[in-house]
Amino acid sequence: GAGVSQSPSNKVTEKGKDVELRCDPISGHTALYWYRQSLGQGLEFLIYFQGNSAPDKSGLPSDRFSAERTGGSVSTLTIQRTQQEDSAVYLCASSRRTDQVTEQYFGPGTRLTVT
Amino acid sequence: AQSVTQLDSHVSVSEGTPVLLRCNYSSSYSPSLFWYVQHPNKGLQLLLKYTSAATLVKGINGFEAEFKKSETSFHLTKPSAHMSDAAEYFCVVSRGQGNLIFGKGTKLSVKP
Repeated sequence: GAGVSQSPSNKVTEKGKDVELRCDPISGHTALYWYRQSLGQGLEFLIYFQGNSAPDKSGLPSDRFSAERTGGSVSTLTIQRTQQEDSAVYLCASSRRTDQVTEQYFGPGTRLTVT
Repeated sequence: AQSVTQLDSHVSVSEGTPVLLRCNYSSSYSPSLFWYVQHPNKGLQLLLKYTSAATLVKGINGFEAEFKKSETSFHLTKPSAHMSDAAEYFCVVSRGQGNLIFGKGTKLSVKP
């Protein structure tokens, strides 16, 4: 079946602009995660959603970052007033559950470049 | 708190020789550990996972890893490297609730 998809695959934006990144999880997966992969910091957890529960936002680096998940499916990660240090690959993953042992399936990522 | 340390940022082997990618973990309870692989310009793919069922875990593409509690290690091995194994490999520990903590990654190069 279809895997996790993300759009756009690449995004170049000017410093100070807002950007929205989209993630379509695997159908039926209740948990959705956002990660950021950058040269300096490696792979970092940002936020996750589980069903209708309040999201865990503990990994968001600043209040310029926010995310929504509508209807328990598609998620949008929004970065306001982008800065150059936001340049990274943003990865989305989904899984059937959020327990410790369940595999997460990753999308191909969105490469964000802030000029 | 959970963490993982990948001991080598870059490993280079010749095709047909064994692969060893080293990972040490720190966890306050019995961990769930994973190895993921990332090929250039592709998404992360699960190679294998340890969830306390068996200490020797077999994964895809001939890879395996052994959980050693006494050494707090979860090293990834493969008997014979193939050119297609060239990629970046991440050792990962689950922080409960499914949140994953990634190591810094090891880039594997395979020489013909």
